[in-house]
Amino acid sequence: NAGVTQTPKFQVLKTGQSMTLQCAQDMNHEYMSWYRQDPGMGLRLIHYSVGAGITDQGEVPNGYNVSRSTTEDFPLRLLSAAPSQTSVYFCASSPYRGLLNNEQFFGPGTRLTVL
Amino acid sequence: AQSVTQLDSHVSVSEGTPVLLRCNYSSSYSPSLFWYVQHPNKGLQLLLKYTSAATLVKGINGFEAEFKKSETSFHLTKPSAHMSDAAEYFCVVSEGTGGFKTIFGAGTRLFVKA
Repeated sequence: NAGVTQTPKFQVLKTGQSMTLQCAQDMNHEYMSWYRQDPGMGLRLIHYSVGAGITDQGEVPNGYNVSRSTTEDFPLRLLSAAPSQTSVYFCASSPYRGLLNNEQFFGPGTRLTVL
Repeated sequence: AQSVTQLDSHVSVSEGTPVLLRCNYSSSYSPSLFWYVQHPNKGLQLLLKYTSAATLVKGINGFEAEFKKSETSFHLTKPSAHMSDAAEYFCVVSEGTGGFKTIFGAGTRLFVKA
């Protein structure tokens, strides 16, 4: 199993550009999520999904869209990039719908810079 | 509402001495609590988790954590630090009752001196 994979590893955007961060998992996990990591703030939840066709907002959803058409893939779309979205983005998955008692498996991250 | 407070942003220890990373939480429900470790430029890896089975939880690489409900704490300890323990550590709480959201602490960076 490759686990959780993310592409690209690095990306530089100009303000106003759009792009999609890719996330895939091959463990047949129901739950997938996107976080952003900023210095001194830990990880903050952007969006999550508890199964194909089901998504919901996390703590910091503004400026981001997600969809979950398959169990394996959970792309994160930046509609119009802003410098405040400069961050490291992590995708994670978990075997079950709920996170009570269940660990998450993290991808290697995507480092995004918005100029 | 749930929250997590890691009481130290940085901790520095000498190799071979004990490690203590402190975490306090608040939760309206019976929480699940986790510690994750992140080595430089890497993703996060689970160290251990508390799920109400036992208050003293053993994890990987010699780490332990004790759940103290009366103090709302979940401190991470290790008897003897190794150079390879240098990393950032995150305390995490999951919403109870089948919740779908997690809250991360701000992180504690552990430095280990030779």
